[in-house]
Amino acid sequence: QLQLQESGPGLVKPSETLSLTCTVSGGFITSENYFYGWIRQSPGKGLEWIGNIFYGGNTRYSPSLESRVTISVGTSKNQMSLRLRSVTAADTALYYCARATYYYESSGNRAVFPFDVWGQGTMVTVSP
Amino acid sequence: DIQMTQSPSTLSASVGDRVTITCRASQSISNWLAWYQQKPGKAPKVLIYKASNLEGGVPSRFSGSGSGTEFTLTISSLQPDDFATYYCQHYSSYSFTFGPGTKVDFK
Repeated sequence: QLQLQESGPGLVKPSETLSLTCTVSGGFITSENYFYGWIRQSPGKGLEWIGNIFYGGNTRYSPSLESRVTISVGTSKNQMSLRLRSVTAADTALYYCARATYYYESSGNRAVFPFDVWGQGTMVTVSP
Repeated sequence: DIQMTQSPSTLSASVGDRVTITCRASQSISNWLAWYQQKPGKAPKVLIYKASNLEGGVPSRFSGSGSGTEFTLTISSLQPDDFATYYCQHYSSYSFTFGPGTKVDFK
């Protein structure tokens, strides 16, 4: 059974870079037809999609965060990473990683499914 | 960018009630819509995908409908385990966008 576990520093200073890791167990992060994403939730607030990474390394980011975010995959450790640069207090949130499925339609277009496996989340506070 | 809205933001209901939550997209998204349930301290759980398809293991009292820009999640008979926050989400190969959420609490 696939399990995801987020990890990283719980406290980051303003203007610095937030770095988190999502470790995948019970499956291979480089499996075809699966992709992974990061989602965050500020305290008491709703869910905000950060970005996705597909098989082969193709990424998609939220327009509101695209200039500051990088998602990558470290295959040797079956991990996905999130880097968010120049953080402010507004980046304080519970950060989740999650997995979803995709397939290619007969047209060649990629069709995706929503996230069906989630980690438990890791809280990151941005404070001096 | 496609924006998602939900109504109401809070819904007070009793066990056994029929509950309907509405989600609207700022432009047509066909049926690329999911519904999630989130309980306090827990990760979200997908209930519905492609607007009306029930995820495996989800009780049949949950149903989804709609296409284009307007969608609904219906709980036919609210159970104690259903008090939670519900989010709609547009998903595509290019972006995922969540609605702001609807909290279902005890009347």
